[in-house]
Amino acid sequence: NAGVTQTPKFRILKIGQSMTLQCTQDMNHNYMYWYRQDPGMGLKLIYYSVGAGITDKGEVPNGYNVSRSTTEDFPLRLELAAPSQTSVYFCASSPRGEDSYEQYFGPGTRLTVT
Amino acid sequence: ELKVEQNPLFLSMQEGKNYTIYCNYSTTSDRLYWYRQDPGKSLESLFVLLSNGAVKQEGRLMASLDTKARLSTLHITAAVHDLSATYFCAGSRGGGSEKLVFGKGTKLTVNP
Repeated sequence: NAGVTQTPKFRILKIGQSMTLQCTQDMNHNYMYWYRQDPGMGLKLIYYSVGAGITDKGEVPNGYNVSRSTTEDFPLRLELAAPSQTSVYFCASSPRGEDSYEQYFGPGTRLTVT
Repeated sequence: ELKVEQNPLFLSMQEGKNYTIYCNYSTTSDRLYWYRQDPGKSLESLFVLLSNGAVKQEGRLMASLDTKARLSTLHITAAVHDLSATYFCAGSRGGGSEKLVFGKGTKLTVNP
């Protein structure tokens, strides 16, 4: 099992460009999440999904979009990148069963917008 | 709205000493999580505390939860250099989707 994988690892964007951060999990988890981590801070939830075709906003959704067409994939789309979106982005997944609350995190994507 | 506060934010300690990191949260949290993050790395799950009075231990780390006081603690016993990392606690906004709200983290440095 690869767990949760994210691509790319690093990216530099110019202001106004768009990109998609990819996230894939091979654990057949229903729940998936996108977080961002700014320097010296904890993570903040951007979007989450409780299953294929179902997504919802987290704390900081502005400037982002998501889709969930399969159980495995949960891409995060940045439209019109802004310097405020410079951050490290983590994808996570969870089985969310009766006793399974743990979230498994991917390695992260470090994004710089200049 | 759930808010999570950790203290201290920075902790420098000597090997062999004991210390406690505190995590306070503002409203009811379904569960309380502790994570470890090494510099430039992802988050590693340490503990998930499910109910009042829950205590979990792994090696030199022990976590506890007091839901009445809205307080969780992470106790470090006889610290070693390998425990140097940033530790995060997170509460759960629940509602069935387990949306986590993180504290700012405690950067722990264990000096020889």
